[in-house]
Amino acid sequence: AQSVAQPEDQVNVAEGNPLTVKCTYSVSGNPYLFWYVQYPNRGLQFLLKYITGDNLVKGSYGFEAEFNKSQTSFHLKKPSALVSDSALYFCAVRDMNNNAGNMLTFGRGTRLMVKP
Amino acid sequence: KAGVTQTPRYLIKTRGQQVTLSCSPISGHRSVSWYQQTPGQGLQFLFEYFSETQRNKGNFPGRFSGRQFSNSRSEMNVSTLELGDSALYLCASSTLGTSGSYEQYFGPGTRLTVT
Repeated sequence: AQSVAQPEDQVNVAEGNPLTVKCTYSVSGNPYLFWYVQYPNRGLQFLLKYITGDNLVKGSYGFEAEFNKSQTSFHLKKPSALVSDSALYFCAVRDMNNNAGNMLTFGRGTRLMVKP
Repeated sequence: KAGVTQTPRYLIKTRGQQVTLSCSPISGHRSVSWYQQTPGQGLQFLFEYFSETQRNKGNFPGRFSGRQFSNSRSEMNVSTLELGDSALYLCASSTLGTSGSYEQYFGPGTRLTVT
C-alpha cells in the first residue's frame, strides 16, 4: 500500500523568508509525486510533479520541490514566501508500478501561514 | 480552456436520502476521479472512470457509486445518506490513458451537508 506523511500540521514563516513544507512517501515501486495547494472554499490547484529525471522540480508561483529517493522525501520549497502563499498544501503519490489507474494517495495537508 | 466544473456547489440533504453529484471534465480529458475530503479523514479516493469504465475503487461502502458518460462527464451517487457523508466531494480530470502519469486537475468541489 502507498502512503504519504506530512509531519507538520502547520508551518509559520515570515514574508520574504524561505519556506519548506515536508513530505515523505512510501510506495512499493517507483513513485510519481505531486504537490497541490488548496485555498479556502476552493478545489486543489496543481503546483508541480516529479515523474523522472532531474531531482529538483520547478513548478507554479515560484515553488520547487526536491526528490530524494534514499530518504523517500519530496519537500516543497520557495526561496521567498509571500503572504498570498498562505494556504493548505497537499503532497500526493501514485505508485507507477501498480495497476491503480490514476489513484492518488494524499498526505493530511500542511497549513502554511506567511506573516507580513 | 474551461476548467473542471462541478454541480451543484452546495447541497443540504437529510439522513436516508440519496444524492447525485455531477462533474464535467476539461475538454479532451477522459479520466475522471472522485475524492472525498473531510477534516477527520482528509482526502480519500472514491473511484476513477476512464472511457465509461470504472478503473479503480477506493475503500468506501457500496452506497457510493458512480458512472461516466460517453462525453466523459461523470456523476456520483450516494444512497441512504449518513451524517458521516457530510464532506467536500472533489472531482478531478486528467489526460491519463493506460500508462504514464499526468497531473489531475480538480474542480471546486460540491459541499454536501447531511442533517
